[in-house]
Amino acid sequence: GQNIDQPTEMTATEGAIVQINCTYQTSGFNGLFWYQQHAGEAPTFLSYNVLDGLEEKGRFSSFLSRSKGYSYLLLKELQMKDSASYLCAFGDSNYQLIWGAGTKLIIKP
Amino acid sequence: DVKVTQSSRYLVKRTGEKVFLECVQDMDHENMFWYRQDPGLGLRLIYFSYDVKMKEKGDIPEGYSVSREKKERFSLILESASTNQTSMYLCASRFLRGGGRDYGYTFGSGTRLTVV
Repeated sequence: GQNIDQPTEMTATEGAIVQINCTYQTSGFNGLFWYQQHAGEAPTFLSYNVLDGLEEKGRFSSFLSRSKGYSYLLLKELQMKDSASYLCAFGDSNYQLIWGAGTKLIIKP
Repeated sequence: DVKVTQSSRYLVKRTGEKVFLECVQDMDHENMFWYRQDPGLGLRLIYFSYDVKMKEKGDIPEGYSVSREKKERFSLILESASTNQTSMYLCASRFLRGGGRDYGYTFGSGTRLTVV
C-alpha cells in the first residue's frame, strides 16, 4: 500500500533552525514535493527531490533518501512569516501526488 | 506564471442546494484536480481529469460530480449539498509532459464552502 506521514505540529523560535520530517511508503516513486500553505491560502510549491541528497534554495533545503523512504525540509534563520503548514507529497507510479496531512509550524518571537 | 482561478473565495449554501464550483487555468494544462481540505485530514482527492471530457474518481467522489467541457475549465458540482460538505475546496492543474518538478501542481486560491 501507500502511505505518507509527517508530524502534526511543530514550534520553533524566530532566528532558529527547524527540520520537518516526512516518511513514506510506496511501490512506485516519482519524486517528492514540499509545499507551503499559509492559513486560508492555497499551497505553493517549495521544492522537488527525485534523487537522493540535499537540495538547497536560500533559507530552505530539502533532503531525500529513497532507500529509507524519508525526506526532510530544513528551514534556517526562521522568520515570523514562515509560520504556515508544510505539506509533503510523493508522486506515485502514475504520477499522482499522494499528500501528507501537513505540519503546522508555529514560530515564536 | 500559471494562474488557476476559482470563481468564489467564500460561499454559503443551504442544505439540498445544487452547488457549482468553477476553476479555470490559463496555461493549457492537461491535468486538473479537485481536492477538499479539512483540518487534520489534509488534501483529499475528489475527482481529476487528464483531458477534455475525461474524468476519473478520486478517493472521495460520493456526493460530487465534475464537468470538463473545455481544456481550461474544470467544474465541481455538489448535487445536493449537505452539512458534511462544508470544507475548503482546492482546484489544481499541471502540465504532466514537462516531467521532473514540472509535474507539480499549481493551486487556485480555494473556495471555503459553508453548507447550512
